[in-house]
Formats: sequence, structure tokens, C-alpha cells
Amino acid sequence: DAEITQSPRHKITETGRQVTLACHQTWNHNNMFWYRQDLGHGLRLIHYSYGVQDTNKGEVSDGYSVSRSNTEDLPLTLESAASSQTSVYFCARGGPIRDTQYFGPGTRLTVL
Amino acid sequence: AQRVTQPEKLLSVFKGAPVELKCNYSYSGSPELFWYVQYSRQRLQLLLRHISRESIKGFTADLNKGETSFHLKKPFAQEEDSAMYYCALLGDSGTYKYIFGTGTRLKVLA
Repeated sequence: DAEITQSPRHKITETGRQVTLACHQTWNHNNMFWYRQDLGHGLRLIHYSYGVQDTNKGEVSDGYSVSRSNTEDLPLTLESAASSQTSVYFCARGGPIRDTQYFGPGTRLTVL
Repeated sequence: AQRVTQPEKLLSVFKGAPVELKCNYSYSGSPELFWYVQYSRQRLQLLLRHISRESIKGFTADLNKGETSFHLKKPFAQEEDSAMYYCALLGDSGTYKYIFGTGTRLKVLA
């Protein structure tokens, strides 16, 4: 199965700390995405990548960064965690069907 | 502006009743629209695409360009349909980016 995994699945951290959420895919798809899911806002795009060394800002990129050093991984870093970044984070890759996306299981992040 | 609106946060229906989850969009070009579903404690997954014009798990959705709508329908709801449903619009051609609606939670009551 062409999996996409996220780790950790749950994380509690303190305000001001740097946090990195991992996203790994075994499909080797060029397109990868990070979203946050919040009640009343749905899913909002944070960052995305179309391939190695390519990264782009999404709708809500402030306070987040990504890097793409290989095809399989797109880690999301919160430089200095804030309580407003408490959310569920989903990573996605391009799907097997054109223009679809295949999502990871999500990471629930709590910033205290 | 590109936008997707799902006006209902929560929709409760009884088992066997018809279901319609509303989705309206704003897009200047020719839209590509999708429905994604998230069952409890599971990842988001594709339900259907307008371009395929198929029925998945009894659900259908027709693109109405005049009304700029892509409502999701099912004639007889089942308890296992209870989930969070998101309507998504593919952004500018070639970007592969989605614009999601805020989602509708469907509860099917026994």
C-alpha cells in the first residue's frame, strides 16, 4: 500500500518551543501539502511542494516553515509555537487519480 | 475570489431519510469540484469528483454552473454515513491546490 504517515500522532508542547511534525510518503509523488483543520474553518492550506527543493506558502503560512530535501518527506516546523497553532494537522500527497489528494492520519497538536 | 461555502455546520437526519449536503462555490473559470469525507477517527478520503459523474456509496453530486452549486445527495441515509463532509474546489489550473469549505457534520439518527 502506498502509505502516507505522520508522526507524532499527538503532541503537547509549550508556547515558544520549536516543533516539527513529520510527514512521509512511500508513493514518491511530487506534490505534497500541509493543512490545518479547525472547527468553523475547515481545512486551510499551510504550505505545499511540487518537488524536491520546491516549497510554497499557502493561505495560513505565518509561523510555519517546510523543507523538501527528498521526494518522500515534507516536515512542517513551527518556529515558535503559539496557542493559536493548537490544531489538527494533515499532510497530503497527490492521489493516484488526477487532481485528487491522499491524506495522512493527522497530528493533533496542543500548545499550552 | 475563489471560495467554497458549506452553509450547514451540522445536519441531522433519520435513517432512511434523504440527505442533501449543500456546497456553493465562487470561481471565475471552469470549476473542478470534489467531495471528501472524514469518518470518526479516520483520515480524510475522497468520496467523489464531479468530473467522473459517478455514484459512490449511494451518494451523487451534480455540478450546477448556473447556481454555482455542487450539492451532495443520497436518497436514503444510513447510520454509517455519519461523518464530516468537505466540499473542495480545485484552484487555478495546474496548481493542484484545493480550497475547502468549512465542512458539514452529518448525523444519521436511528
